[in-house]
Amino acid sequence: NAGVTQTPKFQVLKTGQSMTLQCAQDMNHEYMSWYRQDPGMGLRLIHYSVGAGITDQGEVPNGYNVSRSTTEDFPLRLLSAAPSQTSVYFCASTQEGATYNEQFFGPGTRLTVL
Amino acid sequence: AQSVTQPDIHITVSEGASLELRCNYSYGATPYLFWYVQSPGQGLQLLLKYFSGDTLVQGIKGFEAEFKRSQSSFNLRKPSVHWSDAAEYFCAVRSNTGKLIFGQGTTLQVKP
Repeated sequence: NAGVTQTPKFQVLKTGQSMTLQCAQDMNHEYMSWYRQDPGMGLRLIHYSVGAGITDQGEVPNGYNVSRSTTEDFPLRLLSAAPSQTSVYFCASTQEGATYNEQFFGPGTRLTVL
Repeated sequence: AQSVTQPDIHITVSEGASLELRCNYSYGATPYLFWYVQSPGQGLQLLLKYFSGDTLVQGIKGFEAEFKRSQSSFNLRKPSVHWSDAAEYFCAVRSNTGKLIFGQGTTLQVKP
């Protein structure tokens, strides 16, 4: 199993550009999440999904969109990038109910918005 | 609202010394608690978790944590730190809606 994979690893955008961060898992997990990590703030939940076709907002959803058309994939879209979105983004997945929310994390995407 | 506080932003210990990282949580019911470690440039890896039962839980890499309900704490310990333990450590609690709430993180530096 590859676990949770994220692409790209690094990305630089200009203000106003859009892009999609990719996340995929091969563990057949129902629950997937996107977090952003900023210094001194830990990880903050952006959006999450409890299964294909179902998504919901987390703590800091503004400026981001998600969709979940398959169990495996959970892309995160930045509609119009802003410098405040400079961060490290982590995708995570868990088999809800099976391992009590032990979340498996991807390696992260480091995004810089100029 | 549920929350997690890690009072120490940065800790430095000498290699071979003991380690304790503090974590305090705010949660009304019996919490599900976790410690994760993040090595530089890497994602988060689960060290250990507590749901119920024995309040002293063992994890990977020689770490353990003790749940103390009276103090709302879940401190992480290791008897002898190795240089490879240098990383950032996150405490987390599962909220009543099933989501994880993370603390701010503690960066551990290990002196040779």
